[in-house]
Amino acid sequence: ETGVTQTPRHLVMGMTNKKSLKCEQHLGHNAMYWYKQSAKKPLELMFVYNFKEQTENNSVPSRFSPECPNSSHLFLHLHTLQPEDSALYLCASSQDGVPLYGYTFGSGTRLTVV
Amino acid sequence: EDQVTQSPEALRLQEGESSSLNCSYTVSGLRGLFWYRQDPGKGPEFLFTLYSAGEEKEKERLKATLTKKESFLHITAPKPEDSATYLCAVQGNSGNTPLVFGKGTRLSVIA
Repeated sequence: ETGVTQTPRHLVMGMTNKKSLKCEQHLGHNAMYWYKQSAKKPLELMFVYNFKEQTENNSVPSRFSPECPNSSHLFLHLHTLQPEDSALYLCASSQDGVPLYGYTFGSGTRLTVV
Repeated sequence: EDQVTQSPEALRLQEGESSSLNCSYTVSGLRGLFWYRQDPGKGPEFLFTLYSAGEEKEKERLKATLTKKESFLHITAPKPEDSATYLCAVQGNSGNTPLVFGKGTRLSVIA
């Protein structure tokens, strides 16, 4: 596989559930990102990892917990979510954290909280 | 704080009807301005990076230009397959600041 792969593509979860989103990149990049995309809003940066170290947490509620075990894998652990957390969650990667050639995005996970 | 404003929010064109999308930005020193295309249910796909005022880049029917305050994405003789949401993003030159995105322009090209 090439590029950035996100699983699952769709997820429906109750407010008391615990689930995880997975992202894997096969590009040899060393920076990875989680973005949230809601209708009629710009992409919102959630977390940034450079060389497995979290370098930015954009005031994200603690019910979202990221994990980056190595530079190719990124997880977003979800628990006790609210209906307003329903959105498209996008993972991206880039080289060196300075995206001279742009970020490469995955296809996203469409999350619905019921 | 870096900001990006895109207009119009939505644009409907007839096939072959050329037009332009606007991206206005404020940033504390521009490292790069990026254009992306996003199809429904997919992640954004990189199109162009522009670094300095006066720079232009082209790809098929698309041409991106940059001034000190805004960027335009010109679409010449569009086809229905150009229908998508076009996103603009900027990166400031303070350290490794991540990209800041606009809300996008939703383009529909009717045959």
